[in-house]
Amino acid sequence: EAQVTQNPRYLITVTGKKLTVTCSQNMNHEYMSWYRQDPGLGLRQIYYSMNVEVTDKGDVPEGYKVSRKEKRNFPLILESPSPNQTSLYFCASSLSPGQGVTGELFFGEGSRLTVL
Amino acid sequence: AQSVSQHNHHVILSEAASLELGCNYSYGGTVNLFWYVQYPGQHLQLLLKYFSGDPLVKGIKGFEAEFIKSKFSFNLRKPSVQWSDTAEYFCAVTPRGSTLGRLYFGRGTQLTVWP
Repeated sequence: EAQVTQNPRYLITVTGKKLTVTCSQNMNHEYMSWYRQDPGLGLRQIYYSMNVEVTDKGDVPEGYKVSRKEKRNFPLILESPSPNQTSLYFCASSLSPGQGVTGELFFGEGSRLTVL
Repeated sequence: AQSVSQHNHHVILSEAASLELGCNYSYGGTVNLFWYVQYPGQHLQLLLKYFSGDPLVKGIKGFEAEFIKSKFSFNLRKPSVQWSDTAEYFCAVTPRGSTLGRLYFGRGTQLTVWP
């Protein structure tokens, strides 16, 4: 089954404790991206990756890191989480044949993160 | 900076009423346009998309959208809504013809349909 898998789905942590949210897709998609969803603000892009070893900043990259060492995985790293990073996070992937995001985005189920 | 505006934050309708949700974007070049839906507690799913050709596109579940280039708009419509259409709807835009991977979402419109 084609899917984007995120882990963990729910996490409560404390300020400053490093955490990683994993994202894996089994569709051989080049493009992957992370979004955070906050009430009244919609989805905001954190980072995206056009292919392996190619990553770039979205609208709200501060406080986050990503890596793309393999095509299927795109982990989101919070080196020192703060309460303003409490949010619902979505990973997504898409085909990307060099024309921007032309394909449908496939979203993961979301990871709800609370930073105390 | 590019932006996507969804004019209605919350729309409340009765079943069988017609729906139109507005979406305007600010990018001046050629764009790909999307509408996504998020049912309560779920992730986003694609409703429909426009890349080129006929500006009136049809999606799943009876939804359609019309691209009006002169107005930078991509409004979503459905002639007769159902209770099961209760969800949050997001318009999204991405520039074309480049390697840019930026995808811009509107803030979303919450649709509540009363049976």
